[in-house]
Amino acid sequence: AQTVTQSQPEMSVQEAETVTLSCTYDTSESDYYLFWYKQPPSRQMILVIRQEAYKQQNATENRFSVNFQKAAKSFSLKISDSQLGDAAMYFCAYSRSNFGNEKLTFGTGTRLTIIP
Amino acid sequence: ETGVTQTPRHLVMGMTNKKSLKCEQHLGHNAMYWYKQSAKKPLELMFVYSLEERVENNSVPSRFSPECPNSSHLFLHLHTLQPEDSALYLCASSRRAGRGEKLFFGSGTQLSVL
Repeated sequence: AQTVTQSQPEMSVQEAETVTLSCTYDTSESDYYLFWYKQPPSRQMILVIRQEAYKQQNATENRFSVNFQKAAKSFSLKISDSQLGDAAMYFCAYSRSNFGNEKLTFGTGTRLTIIP
Repeated sequence: ETGVTQTPRHLVMGMTNKKSLKCEQHLGHNAMYWYKQSAKKPLELMFVYSLEERVENNSVPSRFSPECPNSSHLFLHLHTLQPEDSALYLCASSRRAGRGEKLFFGSGTQLSVL
C-alpha cells in the first residue's frame, strides 16, 4: 500500500522568508501524481500545486515550487516570500496514475505558522 | 475558491440521533467525495460518486449512509454514531473521478458525537 509521510508536524517562518515543507512517499509505481493541498483556518482545502511523476521539470505556481526527487521518493514544497495568508495546514498527497481520485492518499499534514 | 457548499458547519448529536450532512457543488462536476478528517490522522476517503453512481466505499460502517440524488448534491446520513466518529467531514468534487484530477473542497462539517 502506498504511504505518504510528512515528518514535520509544525513549521514556522518569518514573513517574507522562504520555507520548505518535506514529504516522502512509498510506491512501487513509476507513473503517478503528487499534490500539495493547503487547509487554512476556514477549513476549505485548496490545491496548491500538482506534479506528474513522468515530468522531469519541477512544478511551479507563483511563490510555490516543488523539489521532486523521484529516485529518493521525495516531494518537498518551497514557499518563497512567505505571507501571513500562507499560514495553514499543508497536506501532501499521492495518487496512482491508472486510478482516479478514489486512490488518493494523504499525509498527516504540516502546520505552518507565519511570524510577522 | 468557493463552489462547494456544506451544511451544517457544526453538528452535535447524541448516539441515538439521526442527522444528515449536505453538500452542494456549483461547478458542473461529475464526481463527488466524502472524506473524514480526524486529528493527527491522514484524510480518510469514505465514499466516491461518479455520475451519481457510487464507485468506492472504503469499508465504512453502515451507520454512515451516502446518497447522491444528482451530480450537484451529496448527502451523508448518520445514525447511531459512536463518539469516535467525531471528526471533520469534508465534501469534495472534481470534473471526473479520473487520474490526477484537482479536488475542490467544501469547508466541512465539524461533528461531535456525545
